[in-house]
Amino acid sequence: ETGVTQSPTHLIKTRGQQVTLRCSSQSGHNTVSWYQQALGQGPQFIFQYYREEENGRGNFPPRFSGLQFPNYSSELNVNALELDDSALYLCASSLDRGVTDTQYFGPGTRLTVL
Amino acid sequence: GNSVTQMEGPVTLSEEAFLTINCTYTATGYPSLFWYVQYPGEGLQLLLKATKADDKGSNKGFEATYRKETTSFHLEKGSVQVSDSAVYFCALSNTGNQFYFGTGTSLTVIP
Repeated sequence: ETGVTQSPTHLIKTRGQQVTLRCSSQSGHNTVSWYQQALGQGPQFIFQYYREEENGRGNFPPRFSGLQFPNYSSELNVNALELDDSALYLCASSLDRGVTDTQYFGPGTRLTVL
Repeated sequence: GNSVTQMEGPVTLSEEAFLTINCTYTATGYPSLFWYVQYPGEGLQLLLKATKADDKGSNKGFEATYRKETTSFHLEKGSVQVSDSAVYFCALSNTGNQFYFGTGTSLTVIP
């Protein structure tokens, strides 16, 4: 069973640009969640996808959007980048969307906005 | 709403000392509770979990008991090692498998 992978590892963008981050979930996992982890903080929930449909969203503006594909890959898109978007972005996959389902995390993408 | 509060760090212990990291939560319904660990330069790894009241999760010598009456899920280990140095996150999962994390507690174990 392969783990959760993310690409790229690091990324540097300038304010106002757009960025796409990618995640490959564990095979068979129907749910993918994305988190933003600022330095020294815990991960903050951005949104979740279940079987290619958005299944919940945290307190993030619409310029954060996502997609989930049938092959267990997913994307996080951020438009009009701001300096405060600099953070570690984590994706996590789980078998299903039940309360007891464990989320398995990828290593993250470190985004720096200049 | 849902939230998790962890004891603030950093925590520094000598090898073989006893570890407790406090975690309390606020939630509606019947959440599951988790401890994740983040080693330097790595992603979050599941350490242990408990899915209902009075359950005890355990792994690698770490334990935590889901206490509904005190809304707590404190992490303990009887004898820490240098390799346990990491950041520990308490989290809860509620309806829809949406996770809420604490701010993390940094642990450094010195020989």
